[in-house]
Amino acid sequence: NAGVTQTPKFQVLKTGQSMTLQCAQDMNHNSMYWYRQDPGMGLRLIYYSASEGTTDKGEVPNGYNVSRLNKREFSLRLESAAPSQTSVYFCASTRVETDTQYFGPGTRLTVL
Amino acid sequence: AQKVTQAQTEISVVEKEDVTLDCVYETRDTTYYLFWYKQPPSGELVFLIRRNSFDEQNEISGRYSWNFQKSTSSFNFTITASQVVDSAVYFCALSEANSGAGNNRKLIWGLGTSLAVNP
Repeated sequence: NAGVTQTPKFQVLKTGQSMTLQCAQDMNHNSMYWYRQDPGMGLRLIYYSASEGTTDKGEVPNGYNVSRLNKREFSLRLESAAPSQTSVYFCASTRVETDTQYFGPGTRLTVL
Repeated sequence: AQKVTQAQTEISVVEKEDVTLDCVYETRDTTYYLFWYKQPPSGELVFLIRRNSFDEQNEISGRYSWNFQKSTSSFNFTITASQVVDSAVYFCALSEANSGAGNNRKLIWGLGTSLAVNP
């Protein structure tokens, strides 16, 4: 079991460029989440998907879109990257029964 | 509103000292879960423990122990005989109120406590 995987691990973008962060889990989890982590700010929820076919906004959704492609995959898209989106992005997933979130290794994104 | 407070931003200890990381939470729910996660310098987030609100028994796992007290809304984490490998940021989290049947609840996160264990 790979658990939760994220690609890429690192990315540098220029302002205005777009990109998609990929996340996949092989634990048959129903819910998936995207967070960003900034120094001193802890983890902030961007979007989440309670089940395949549904997505909802979290605390900081502006500038992002998501797609729950199937039960395994949940992608995060930046349509027009801004320097304020420089951050470390984490994907997580959880089973219905426990609320325990399991995290991917993170993507470190820099927007110049 | 639900909230998790980790008042200690940074803690520095010498190896073999015991250290307690504080976590205080606010919730109106009667059923909730509390969590601790570890984020070592390598950056990954590692699940440590989940505690049900109905279970106030303390938990011990090796050098780690957790003290859950509903009366003070606290879920503190103690590392006994700390080691350099314990250096990390530790996050406490609380499950948010149920948003509907079958939905996983979101987690409310504290801002973390950065623990440095020096040799």
